[in-house]
Amino acid sequence: QSVLTQPPSVSAAPGQRVTISCSGSASNIGSRSVSWYQQLPGRVPKLLIYDNNKRPSGIPDRFSASKSGASATLGITGLQTGDEADYYCGAWDNSLGAGVFGGGTKLTVL
Amino acid sequence: EVQLLESGGGLVQPGGSLRLSCAASGFTFSTYAMTWVRQAPGKGLEWVSSVGRSGVDTYHADSGKGRFTISRDNSMDTLYLQMNSLRAQDTAVYYCVKGGIGEAGLDTWGQGTLVTVSS
Repeated sequence: QSVLTQPPSVSAAPGQRVTISCSGSASNIGSRSVSWYQQLPGRVPKLLIYDNNKRPSGIPDRFSASKSGASATLGITGLQTGDEADYYCGAWDNSLGAGVFGGGTKLTVL
Repeated sequence: EVQLLESGGGLVQPGGSLRLSCAASGFTFSTYAMTWVRQAPGKGLEWVSSVGRSGVDTYHADSGKGRFTISRDNSMDTLYLQMNSLRAQDTAVYYCVKGGIGEAGLDTWGQGTLVTVSS
């Protein structure tokens, strides 16, 4: 059972918008920055979002994120088949004194 | 170009030890925290350990406390993970990652090294 909770899967049609939720607590998301990672099939994870809503250079603005209280949300617009991947949220947990990830969400572009 | 090259993985018997290494290049190693993340076959990401820039501050997941030790050699631009008393549940691909899971995120990942614990 992961400290951060994500839906196991989401799906949407090409061109549509999808959101992925990440629920935590006051000791992690509620008080620390959230990052998001994309892992394409058979590939190494890649940083998608850091510090709650910032995109590293090279990440298209189709990817966005927000945080409210102890929850965070990743949004992807203009879905492409190449976006099919596993998405993970991550944060530091003050109570555990450790990093934590969500269990991951598999995005299917129908 | 930032590069992280892990080595030291392999097959080890339960109760055995391994030391993973990660050779870093393309950035000023001593100015970044570094992290190990693992992924068991078909499973999600699991944060394992992080070390601060100087190597003094270290953090470990409960799953590895007392068995795993993260360290770094800033003169050699190398990150290490000493793993003792290995268990079957430690079987995973271990990724060396630049940064910490905090504000700046885990911004560059190595290709990973597979650790298999089996008799």
